Amino acid sequence: EVQLEESGGGLVQPGGSLRLSCAASGFTLSNYWMSWVRQAPGKGLEWVANINQDGIEKYYVDSVKGRFTISRDNAKNSLYLQMSSLRAEDTAMYYCARGYSGYVFYDSWGQGTLVTVSS
Amino acid sequence: DFVMTQSPDSLAVSLGERATINCKSSRSLLYNSNNKNYLAWYQQKPGQPPKLLIYWASTRESGVPDRFSGSGSGTDFTLTISSLQAEDVAVYYCQQYYDTSTFGQGTRLEIK
Repeated sequence: EVQLEESGGGLVQPGGSLRLSCAASGFTLSNYWMSWVRQAPGKGLEWVANINQDGIEKYYVDSVKGRFTISRDNAKNSLYLQMSSLRAEDTAMYYCARGYSGYVFYDSWGQGTLVTVSS
Repeated sequence: DFVMTQSPDSLAVSLGERATINCKSSRSLLYNSNNKNYLAWYQQKPGQPPKLLIYWASTRESGVPDRFSGSGSGTDFTLTISSLQAEDVAVYYCQQYYDTSTFGQGTRLEIK
């Protein structure tokens, strides 16, 4: 069974940093594009970042470029999102999602980890 | 950049009736080399992550009931639920994956 489990969320002050992790199981992580998608409280879905199978190609939404870094460790079956210079508008549930067969629509999602940026 | 616009923002339909949600892209999602539309639909229920329903604009994900169908090409797409069931109450999102990823703003579907 495919499983994705996010961790690392919490309360952080504006300007602070946080590292999210996503533990993958039930499939071979190295075969898939992976993404982070976020959802502010009561709002819609927003794509944040993509990373290809070997971690060479990375793409970000404009609002997080230069502040967030997506990475992966296929040997550890893990995906990461390093977030810095956090802002109140980064407050959201952050989901880890698996791309389907080489494309970036998502057939599996984690339950999410909540990031709250507040003083 | 792609802008995805869904209509309506909310929709109330009687049980057993048809529900139709529209999604319009600011640019064509049809990739000429493979003749595929890079458009997916998701369902999200409260407190849950999204669930993939449709991809390539009209291909139903495994296990999704056949009352869900997708149609359209280029810039205009539709998700249709042929006979609304109580468990279909949710927010529905379209997503383009032609160039990175962009979601529509969501359509809230309720029972009338």
